[in-house]
Amino acid sequence: GESVGLHLPTLSVQEGDNSIINCAYSNSASDYFIWYKQESGKGPQFIIDIRSNMDKRQGQRVTVLLNKTVKHLSLQIAATQPGDSAVYFCAENPYSGGGADGLTFGKGTHLIIQP
Amino acid sequence: KAGVTQTPRYLIKTRGQQVTLSCSPISGHRSVSWYQQTPGQGLQFLFEYFSETQRNKGNFPGRFSGRQFSNSRSEMNVSTLELGDSALYLCASSSYGNEQYFGPGTRLTVT
Repeated sequence: GESVGLHLPTLSVQEGDNSIINCAYSNSASDYFIWYKQESGKGPQFIIDIRSNMDKRQGQRVTVLLNKTVKHLSLQIAATQPGDSAVYFCAENPYSGGGADGLTFGKGTHLIIQP
Repeated sequence: KAGVTQTPRYLIKTRGQQVTLSCSPISGHRSVSWYQQTPGQGLQFLFEYFSETQRNKGNFPGRFSGRQFSNSRSEMNVSTLELGDSALYLCASSSYGNEQYFGPGTRLTVT
């Protein structure tokens, strides 16, 4: 079965509000997690990543939280803008060290921004 | 710095045919991974190449194969196409570590 999943296939938020997209993973050996954004007709775009030795990481308007106890990952987007409309994927890599050893992706959450 | 490029962007093939897709990684990136994206299965890992060697492989039949050239460019091939092979094929490159940069994909339609 799928090892990485998202709780909601669609999330609708008002422009200017904060968005929280959730993800659950099942492989406790995973040590690296990434959030991607995919707009229609484009490939996934890297947003932010986090390693298992951290529980929080901040970027520009985005924050990723990692709760290893319950194997939960979330992406927070502050002051959501129309350009944030996209499908968001969480991905995990169960292997440590260098190299791209095959990311496992969740199904994705479609973020819809209401004007 | 130019991003990952994939050619062609769109392709229509008939069942039983074979197809070759091409990926040019970001300059300096030596790792190239391939993924298949479908509405039903989502994004699934096909294989990864590093320095012309396949380092890891996903759970796909042998009809799916790939290779990497000395300049890090990569190709993937699908033989004896089936209707279920219709998908967006994505290529991603990375220099070291896990951060992967994706190309726009090749949309393959099998009729």
